Amino acid sequence: NAGVTQTPKFQVLKTGQSMTLQCAQDMNHEYMSWYRQDPGMGLRLIHYSVGAGITDQGEVPNGYNVSRSTTEDFPLRLLSAAPSQTSVYFCASSYSGGAETQYFGPGTRLLVL
Amino acid sequence: GQQVMQIPQYQHVQEGEDFTTYCNSSTTLSNIQWYKQRPGGHPVFLIQLVKSGEVKKQKRLTFQFGEAKKNSSLHITATQTTDVGTYFCAGPERAKSNYQLIWGAGTKLIIKP
Repeated sequence: NAGVTQTPKFQVLKTGQSMTLQCAQDMNHEYMSWYRQDPGMGLRLIHYSVGAGITDQGEVPNGYNVSRSTTEDFPLRLLSAAPSQTSVYFCASSYSGGAETQYFGPGTRLLVL
Repeated sequence: GQQVMQIPQYQHVQEGEDFTTYCNSSTTLSNIQWYKQRPGGHPVFLIQLVKSGEVKKQKRLTFQFGEAKKNSSLHITATQTTDVGTYFCAGPERAKSNYQLIWGAGTKLIIKP
């Protein structure tokens, strides 16, 4: 099992550009989520999904969209990148819920100029 | 909403000294989870505590859950270079129709050269 995979590992964007961060898991987990990590602020939940076709907003959803067409994939879209979105983005999954043990991907480091 | 406070933000120790991080919740927790993030890496689950007053050990790591289930601690005895990283606690909070993890800001363990 590859676990949770994320692409790309690094990305530099200009303000206003859009992009999609990819996340996939091969553990047949129902629950998937996206976090951003900024220095000294821990992990903040952006969006989450409790199963294919179901998504919901987390703590900091503005500027991001998600979809969940399959159990395996949960892409995160930045609609119009802003410097405030410079961060490290982690995708995580768990068997069935947000309060269970979370399995994290390796992260995407994003710089918005 | 619920808050999880974690202190200290940083702790510098000499190799061989002990390390402790403390986690305090504004509300009673059903459980608490601890994760470790190595520099440049992603959070990795260490342990979950469920019972009031519970103490669990993993080699040199000792985890405690307070009697009131509102606080927890992680103590590392005789730190080694492999212990370097950031340690996060997280507890579940009910948000909308689901439970999500609320994360502490983490304590960074730094070993002095």
